[in-house]
Amino acid sequence: NAGVTQTPKFRILKIGQSMTLQCAQDMNHNYMYWYRQDPGMGLKLIYYSVGAGITDKGEVPNGYNVSRSTTEDFPLRLELAAPSQTSVYFCASSYDPGGRLHSNQPQHFGDGTRLSIL
Amino acid sequence: ELKVEQNPLFLSMQEGKNYTIYCNYSTTSDRLYWYRQDPGKSLESLFVLLSNGAVKQEGRLMASLDTKARLSTLHITAAVHDLSATYFCAGAQGGSEKLVFGKGMKLTVNP
Repeated sequence: NAGVTQTPKFRILKIGQSMTLQCAQDMNHNYMYWYRQDPGMGLKLIYYSVGAGITDKGEVPNGYNVSRSTTEDFPLRLELAAPSQTSVYFCASSYDPGGRLHSNQPQHFGDGTRLSIL
Repeated sequence: ELKVEQNPLFLSMQEGKNYTIYCNYSTTSDRLYWYRQDPGKSLESLFVLLSNGAVKQEGRLMASLDTKARLSTLHITAAVHDLSATYFCAGAQGGSEKLVFGKGMKLTVNP
């Protein structure tokens, strides 16, 4: 299993451009998440999904959009990139078979996408 | 709104020494996570603590949870250089999937 795969690993964008960060997992996990990590800070949740077709906002959703059409993929879209969105973006997934509203299992993280907006 | 605070944020210690780091949270959190991050790398799960009094150990690390005090601790026993990393704790907001992370504690273990 590859686990959680994020592409690209690095990207430089100009202000106002848009792009999609890709995230795929091959562990059949039902929960998926997007975080951003700014230097010297912890992670902040952008969006999450508890299953295909279901997404919800996290702590810092403004300027981002997500979709979850399949169990495996959870892309993050940046529209009109701004310098404040310069960050490292992590995708994660977890699994809980119990049908609970939340997972009691650890989240598995991808290697991250380092995004700079100039 | 859940807030998670870690202290200290930086720790330099000698190999062979013991130390405890702390994670406080502001409101009810029904589970508490500990993660490790090496520089420039992703996050690795260490522990998931689900109930009051939960204690988990892996190697030289032991984590515990006191939900009444809203406190989790990560105890390091006989530190070795390989434990040098940043350690994050995270709580779950309102029984949801929304994890709130602390700022992380950067640990340096010196020979």
